[in-house]
Amino acid sequence: DADVTQTPRNRITKTGKRIMLECSQTKGHDRMYWYRQDPGLGLRLIYYSFDVKDINKGEISDGYSVSRQAQAKFSLSLESAIPNQTALYFCATSEQSNQPQHFGDGTRLSIL
Amino acid sequence: AQSVTQLDSHVSVSEGTPVLLRCNYSSSYSPSLFWYVQHPNKGLQLLLKYTSAATLVKGINGFEAEFKKSETSFHLTKPSAHMSDAAEYFCVVSSYTGFQKLVFGTGTRLLVSP
Repeated sequence: DADVTQTPRNRITKTGKRIMLECSQTKGHDRMYWYRQDPGLGLRLIYYSFDVKDINKGEISDGYSVSRQAQAKFSLSLESAIPNQTALYFCATSEQSNQPQHFGDGTRLSIL
Repeated sequence: AQSVTQLDSHVSVSEGTPVLLRCNYSSSYSPSLFWYVQHPNKGLQLLLKYTSAATLVKGINGFEAEFKKSETSFHLTKPSAHMSDAAEYFCVVSSYTGFQKLVFGTGTRLLVSP
């Protein structure tokens, strides 16, 4: 089983809809992250969380919100989806801030 | 601020020939550097990391990278390419300002032909 699991793997939806992407991990890591990947731009950080009570904005948080329901779960929401949020979204975890991050397989989101 | 530049968006090699993926970084202090690989429909997998120990870092699947401070480079190499190496590769620099922020390069797609 994967250490970092993202659901759904693919989602197509319409402009204005509310979308939730979920991430769960079995690694026991405190740090969790949400990124989006766009062609030619690498990965950009949306939100990160040090623990259940500590959530922080990344470099591109506008239009997104997150919830850390438990140490193992970190969800990303798009309150009112727009087409330029079409991207590949990744969840990641790390044990400590200076340790490598471990990534899920991604959620491909298309907004029409 | 930290940044990375991957000098090639695409690299094509033949199976059995050497691989060189180039990365230059910018950092105001001694950085941590990583190479990640992304296969189609998969997440990013750590290939190797440099964290101020040995300058030549060995990773998985026969890859290695050399940290050259004077050239601000961290190029990824492999002596002999395999078809399964075809993927996208990301050079990443880590800055620590209260937490580990990863700054990603734009990626290099490696194509391996028979």
